Amino acid sequence: DQQVKQNSPSLSVQEGRISILNCDYTNSMFDYFLWYKKYPAEGPTFLISISSIKDKNEDGRFTVFLNKSAKHLSLHIVPSQPGDSAVYFCAAVKNNAGNMLTFGGGTRLMVKP
Amino acid sequence: DVKVTQSSRYLVKRTGEKVFLECVQDMDHENMFWYRQDPGLGLRLIYFSYDVKMKEKGDIPEGYSVSREKKERFSLILESASTNQTSMYLCASSLYDEQFFGPGTRLTVL
Repeated sequence: DQQVKQNSPSLSVQEGRISILNCDYTNSMFDYFLWYKKYPAEGPTFLISISSIKDKNEDGRFTVFLNKSAKHLSLHIVPSQPGDSAVYFCAAVKNNAGNMLTFGGGTRLMVKP
Repeated sequence: DVKVTQSSRYLVKRTGEKVFLECVQDMDHENMFWYRQDPGLGLRLIYFSYDVKMKEKGDIPEGYSVSREKKERFSLILESASTNQTSMYLCASSLYDEQFFGPGTRLTVL
């Protein structure tokens, strides 16, 4: 059973608008969360992260929100750009599992010019 | 910048062949990982290693083995390749939580 889920396999957004990518998790032992971005034929690259002691982390156009009670996190991209078109994975780390990441299934974001 | 390299970008093998996938990182990271990526399933951990000669099973180790004889190199071995092992294989390394990935190897088993 997947402990980290991204229920939307794809998302299409107009350039300049907000993109919201969602991620849900089931294991309350997760205490650190990361978002990765993956272009075709490349490995995933780290985008932004958040610790469970925070509910928001911002880096330029990217903001991650964490709702621990709902076991839900979201990545907001504002404004969206065509170069943001990629597959986005959320990942979670358990507080007693060293450096192991558990990944969601990914969401393909398409930003239309 | 961290660099993680994988020996092949594309590989085609036949059922029953032994397959070696090599991964090298240049940042002296202690932790190295092998994942496979399949549509809708995200990245699933096959094996990881915290140090030279150490290995731990991930979520889907069946049909795979690994070798870490040197700190910078982590090899994934498919002892007898099967068609259900056709996938994208990604290697990663890390010092802490953030993992750095290689470009991936697209393996097709015929």
